[in-house]
Amino acid sequence: EIQMTQSPSAMSASVGDTVTITCRASQAISDSLVWFQQKPGKAPKRLIFGASRLQTGVPSRFSGSGSGTDFTLTISGLQAEDLATYYCLQHFTYPRTFGQGTKVEVK
Amino acid sequence: EVLLLESGGGLMQPGGSLRLSCRVSGFDFEIYAMAWVRQAPGKGLEWVSTLTDTGTRAYYADSVRGRFTVSRDNSKNTLYLQMDSLEAGDTALYFCVKDGWENSYSSKFDYWGRGTPVTVSS
Repeated sequence: EIQMTQSPSAMSASVGDTVTITCRASQAISDSLVWFQQKPGKAPKRLIFGASRLQTGVPSRFSGSGSGTDFTLTISGLQAEDLATYYCLQHFTYPRTFGQGTKVEVK
Repeated sequence: EVLLLESGGGLMQPGGSLRLSCRVSGFDFEIYAMAWVRQAPGKGLEWVSTLTDTGTRAYYADSVRGRFTVSRDNSKNTLYLQMDSLEAGDTALYFCVKDGWENSYSSKFDYWGRGTPVTVSS
């Protein structure tokens, strides 16, 4: 099973800050990685697929990078509405595995 | 409009069974793999199972293998999850999700239902 280690588990940042969340895979997964945003009481929403491709309709302040084992989600210019928990998911192989999540609080 | 509508959740005693359903509309259900993902209260996301488009191959998390069975009826655009020998640890919100095509990143995990809650308690 591929382990996805996501960090940090929680963070607090101010509006306008740049936020970086990382996921590390226990073995190479090419670019078979998706980033999700989940707001309280809602289903997850796909932000990034293929590690770096922005989902249609998602603000351009969200970006993804990485390949192989190390991946990053960046929010450039945090907005108040970005309060959420963010998850990575690898779909390179089965079982699919999620990162543990990063709860982002906006100061 | 894409819609994934889960149903069948509820309260069940340990050892009991439940069958979840997910009715899909708005995309070609029969050509995509479909998945179940769950989220225990206050916890993260956990992939449960994926079934290929034709239903010929099913994959399971170790935590549910041998107890849960995924199936689909492409004529009804519906995905199912038969949950047997339920345990307290199965308590979660169960989401139906489009797993997509293996070689198409754009199709992977793009559509989610709102989830159906399952509580296992005596």
